[in-house]
Amino acid sequence: RKEVEQDPGPFNVPEGATVAFNCTYSNSASQSFFWYRQDCRKEPKLLMSVYSSGNEDGRFTAQLNRASQYISLLIRDSKLSDSATYLCVVHHTGGFKTIFGAGTRLFVKA
Amino acid sequence: EPEVTQTPSHQVTQMGQEVILRCVPISNHLYFYWYRQILGQKVEFLVSFYNNEISEKSEIFDDQFSVERPDGSNFTLKIRSTKLEDSAMYFCASSTGVAYNEQFFGPGTRLTVL
Repeated sequence: RKEVEQDPGPFNVPEGATVAFNCTYSNSASQSFFWYRQDCRKEPKLLMSVYSSGNEDGRFTAQLNRASQYISLLIRDSKLSDSATYLCVVHHTGGFKTIFGAGTRLFVKA
Repeated sequence: EPEVTQTPSHQVTQMGQEVILRCVPISNHLYFYWYRQILGQKVEFLVSFYNNEISEKSEIFDDQFSVERPDGSNFTLKIRSTKLEDSAMYFCASSTGVAYNEQFFGPGTRLTVL
């Protein structure tokens, strides 16, 4: 089983749509969780951290379910500029080791 | 805004040659990382570095790889004898803390091994 698994995508959605991405992780000792965004041939950039209580940043909502080892990202009112690959990221061994999911590609169309 | 920088942006080398990829992390950061991303594949952790020593390394980071912080600003990744399969984008990252802190990534060095 992969350490971090994501929906393979791609997701093709119209502008204004709501889209949800799922991620599962296999190591129950994982400590912290993040969503990063990666544009084509660019470096990953932090979108948001994910907390057990859930957190929201504008149109983006992230949730963590430790019991199910499941992380989600919800994007509301999709914009053309949201087109990118969304990476689920997990830290463990005290945070010194970072595991990336394979990413879910999102295409938002006008 | 401070940023991580990497040089060169693209390195072409012959198989068997040594390469050194350079990174300048953000100045007040204490934790440093190298990742690689083969074209079309996921980002893979190579190594983390703190307090002038390796904190954690992956199975990919074998004896062909080494890291160094030769001075107060640079962080380097050396590949001793490159193989075709080392062709990838190599990202350096740095952070102020470890478990719960954002990692800031450099723009990457594209390594092409011929």
